[in-house]
Amino acid sequence: DTEVTQTPKHLVMGMTNKKSLKCEQHMGHRAMYWYKQKAKKPPELMFVYSYEKLSINESVPSRFSPECPNSSLLNLHLHALQPEDSALYLCASSQGSGVYNEQFFGPGTRLTVL
Amino acid sequence: GDSVTQMEGPVTLSEEAFLTINCTYTATGYPSLFWYVQYPGEGLQLLLKATKADDKGSNKGFEATYRKETTSFHLEKGSVQVSDSAVYFCAPSRGGNEKLTFGTGTRLTIIP
Repeated sequence: DTEVTQTPKHLVMGMTNKKSLKCEQHMGHRAMYWYKQKAKKPPELMFVYSYEKLSINESVPSRFSPECPNSSLLNLHLHALQPEDSALYLCASSQGSGVYNEQFFGPGTRLTVL
Repeated sequence: GDSVTQMEGPVTLSEEAFLTINCTYTATGYPSLFWYVQYPGEGLQLLLKATKADDKGSNKGFEATYRKETTSFHLEKGSVQVSDSAVYFCAPSRGGNEKLTFGTGTRLTIIP
């Protein structure tokens, strides 16, 4: 199974809502990633988890809160978002770094903040 | 820090034309190099990779050769199809570093 799944596919939320994005992989990968992608731009790294521990936080605002409950699951908790946070949120996983950093991406969650 | 310079798009070609998308990188040491493709409405997929100098990655008729002397990893295809219409991203990855440094992306449109 070389698939990364993400739910939901689409999400519309108000600025006062709390919601969560979910990501799952069953490839035994030890690194998992959250990216944000705006239209016509490359993905921007937000967070990296390695062995279920947060290893990279790219100075993301605290209204985004990641969580890695186990080696297969990755969540992104959203609270008090702004309209400029509307984007495609991509999850990815890989075996590791360097030559092992072949990242497998999910289809993404398209988030709209009203 | 690491950086990638990718050919500016958009690129529009006729079906069966030859494709080159240029990519040069700046990275410490000897990174692994990846090309990713993003079809409309989808996430990214790995297209091909090369892990050391002079390696050639290939997949679906696409090829790219790791040129250490010119720090380049240009993507080529001899005869493009309409189904190749997508955005292509070049990305190096250094050992010991989980980050991929994505290029700006090149939007490719193939017309019949």
